[in-house]
Amino acid sequence: QKEVEQDPGPLSVPEGAIVSLNCTYSNSAFQYFMWYRQYSRKGPELLMYTYSSGNKEDGRFTAQVDKSSKYISLFIRDSQPSDSATYLCATSSYAGNNRKLIWGLGTSLAVNP
Amino acid sequence: GAVVSQHPSWVICKSGTSVKIECRSLDFQATTMFWYRQFPKQSLMLMATSNEGSKATYEQGVEKDKFLINHASLTLSTLTVTSAHPEDSSFYICSASAGRQPQHFGDGTRLSIL
Repeated sequence: QKEVEQDPGPLSVPEGAIVSLNCTYSNSAFQYFMWYRQYSRKGPELLMYTYSSGNKEDGRFTAQVDKSSKYISLFIRDSQPSDSATYLCATSSYAGNNRKLIWGLGTSLAVNP
Repeated sequence: GAVVSQHPSWVICKSGTSVKIECRSLDFQATTMFWYRQFPKQSLMLMATSNEGSKATYEQGVEKDKFLINHASLTLSTLTVTSAHPEDSSFYICSASAGRQPQHFGDGTRLSIL
């Protein structure tokens, strides 16, 4: 079993839809959770960074962490064609230097106009 | 804030050439920089972690003599692919972080070895 599981998709939705992206993880020591967006041939861009369980909102994006079920989610409201990208979840067990990120495979999202 | 610049964005060179890739944190001091490799439709594979002024820590299976990493200052790290061969062709991405902050990534370097 991989430490972080993420459905690679592809996921295709119409413009304006609410998108739900999810990851599960196996190690209860993971405490820091990130969502990155990666456009084709570009580096990942940090979207959300959360610690412990709960919700965090930033504009159209909401990150949700449920540590009891080891489940993390990213919701995108009013999705736009410019949201079409690969979304990567990542986690780590501590926030200090030399921390290694454990990555999901990434979910490919296409938002159709 | 937290801008990371990577250069060059694309390089094509002949087999046997050494190629240097630069990674700079433009608006913060990066205590730690990371180098990744990414194959098409796959996630990022960590190659090495480097702290300013220290030797890099390489992941298992990554040849340190093949992939030379220098982190001479808090804003600059370089990756040199020595005597590159076609199998080294890939997308190389750096990231930088400061203290407890998350990693911020450069835009990657597409390396093609002929």
